[in-house]
Amino acid sequence: GEDVEQSLFLSVREGDSSVINCTYTDSSSTYLYWYKQEPGAGLQLLTYIFSNMDMKQDQRLTVLLNKKDKHLSLRIADTQTGDSAIYFCAETAGGGADGLTFGKGTHLIIQP
Amino acid sequence: EPEVTQTPSHQVTQMGQEVILRCVPISNHLYFYWYRQILGQKVEFLVSFYNNEISEKSEIFDDQFSVERPDGSNFTLKIRSTKLEDSAMYFCASSLPPKDQPQHFGDGTRLSIL
Repeated sequence: GEDVEQSLFLSVREGDSSVINCTYTDSSSTYLYWYKQEPGAGLQLLTYIFSNMDMKQDQRLTVLLNKKDKHLSLRIADTQTGDSAIYFCAETAGGGADGLTFGKGTHLIIQP
Repeated sequence: EPEVTQTPSHQVTQMGQEVILRCVPISNHLYFYWYRQILGQKVEFLVSFYNNEISEKSEIFDDQFSVERPDGSNFTLKIRSTKLEDSAMYFCASSLPPKDQPQHFGDGTRLSIL
């Protein structure tokens, strides 16, 4: 079945770039997503990339997709304390299924 | 920006009781979803709903669960005869057609079964 894997923790200094990595298994995914969850809040759609793209940039966020290696990354430039959250990678399940398959989430910790 | 709203934010229920979780999807969205996240585990897909019927459901969504769109704005998840293992965060989501458009999530309802 589909599986999405992420590192559980990432610690960076304020002002540095954060790179959160994700690997997935379903090569038929249409979209790949990054969601952000702040403490006590829901899942905020941060950005997404269509499977036929290699890169997408949106202000401080850059998404890179390597379809050959089934690897997705999220780069946050100039990381701020407000970026502290859990970041979830997700893919559309294969075969035209409706539900998203999520990773366990990466806790981004910002050091002053 | 339009958002998905869920009520209540926290629900405490005795084991064996029925519970209804409520969601108001984004108004022009046509696909609706429920997910759950047991503490420390992944967010898991439960069910999707389109055109007033279930579009797809996961293995988790057994006869204990049901969904309904009772009017033009609400989307509900009912859990009959709750069990301890139903304790989780339940998220509602909605999306525009076609089916694989980005899903927008609510803040979730934390369900605690005693």
